[in-house]
This record gives sequence, structure tokens and C-alpha cells, in this order.
Amino acid sequence: KAGVTQTPRYLIKTRGQQVTLSCSPISGHRSVSWYQQTPGQGLQFLFEYFSETQRNKGNFPGRFSGRQFSNSRSEMNVSTLELGDSALYLCASSLAGFRTGYNEQFFGPGTRLTVL
Amino acid sequence: SQQGEEDPQALSIQEGENATMNCSYKTSINNLQWYRQNSGRGLVHLILIRSNEREKHSGRLRVTLDTSKKSSSLLITASRAADTASYFCATVTSGGTSYGKLTFGQGTILTVHP
Repeated sequence: KAGVTQTPRYLIKTRGQQVTLSCSPISGHRSVSWYQQTPGQGLQFLFEYFSETQRNKGNFPGRFSGRQFSNSRSEMNVSTLELGDSALYLCASSLAGFRTGYNEQFFGPGTRLTVL
Repeated sequence: SQQGEEDPQALSIQEGENATMNCSYKTSINNLQWYRQNSGRGLVHLILIRSNEREKHSGRLRVTLDTSKKSSSLLITASRAADTASYFCATVTSGGTSYGKLTFGQGTILTVHP
């Protein structure tokens, strides 16, 4: 099986712009989670989607949003970028759900976003 | 927000030695997981231990869980230079629908010298 893929791998934007990141989960995985990793705050949960519905949300401002498509692919969007949004954004997929229970997550390589 | 602390923040050892990392957490959990990250890349799942388990082994890895102390430890035996990486514990909170939500610790940077 192919692993989790994320595009693009690197991105440079300026303050005030918006950005869209994409994630393709492992085939058969319906849960997709997003995380932000920074040196100061570490790994922080952004949100999780399951069957096109946001099931969990972290403590991030409304500028951070996401969605999931019927094929389980997911996108996250950050509007009005700030310098502090510079981070590694990681996507993970899993089988986690009511029937399968709590499972390990499989991470993609991440998208490195730099905001200038 | 971070779930808890990892100890030590950094660990430097020689090849062949054992490495022990500790993790503490704050809430009741369904399970605790350990992940490895090489130099700012994606995370790799190592092992998952459920709240009703006390110890688990996988190859050179041994994980213990003490829910009364809300703590876990990861032991890597006979370390190799290739084990050099950051190691993170992550918890899934019990109850509700926290299926896809991991809460990470701050991580331990392990350096294994050849």
C-alpha cells in the first residue's frame, strides 16, 4: 500500500496570503488528522476528519480550516497568514473509528510552510 | 496544548547501550503511543499500549505503562546509530470520540554515537 502523501512538500508565502495544503491518506483509511509542529509549541493537533465530517478540533483560530472529500483526501487551509504560522504541517491517516477503535496513525512527510 | 512532560529532553549514548525515555500525562487515556521522528520529517509509529496493559515488547523496544502514576517509559535496548532521532509519546484520551486525536509530549532527542 502507498503511504500518506502530502503536497506540496515546501511552501513559501508572505504575510496576509492564504495557503492550501493537501493530504492523501492510505487507501481504506477514513480518518485524517492534521498537526502543526513548531520548535516552540511542539506537535499540536489541528483537526480530524472522518467520512467528510470534522470529528475533532484543536485550539486554533478560525483562520485554520479543513475539509475532507468523499475519497478521504483532505485539505487544510490557512487564511491571512501570520509569521507564527511558519511550521511543519503533518497529516496522518488511520482506521480509527467506532468499529475499529483507537489505532495508530500513519504520518505523511509533512509540508514545510515558511511565512515571510 | 501538550499532554505532559518527557524526560529527559535530550539523551546521548554510545552504540550498544540501552536508552530509556519517560513520559508523563495528565488525563485518563484509552492508549498511549510512541513515535519516532528523524530530523524534521514525518513521524513513524513504534508501539501502542492500551490502558489495561502494563508492558509491551516489539523487537528491541519495551514500553511500560503505569496508569496510577500517569506515566510511561520506552526502553530501546542495544542502541544503534540509526536509532538517532526524536521520540514522542502521544496519548488518546478515553471517552468521547477522540479516535483521531493524538496529544503529544515534548519529545526526547536521542543521539547514539557509533
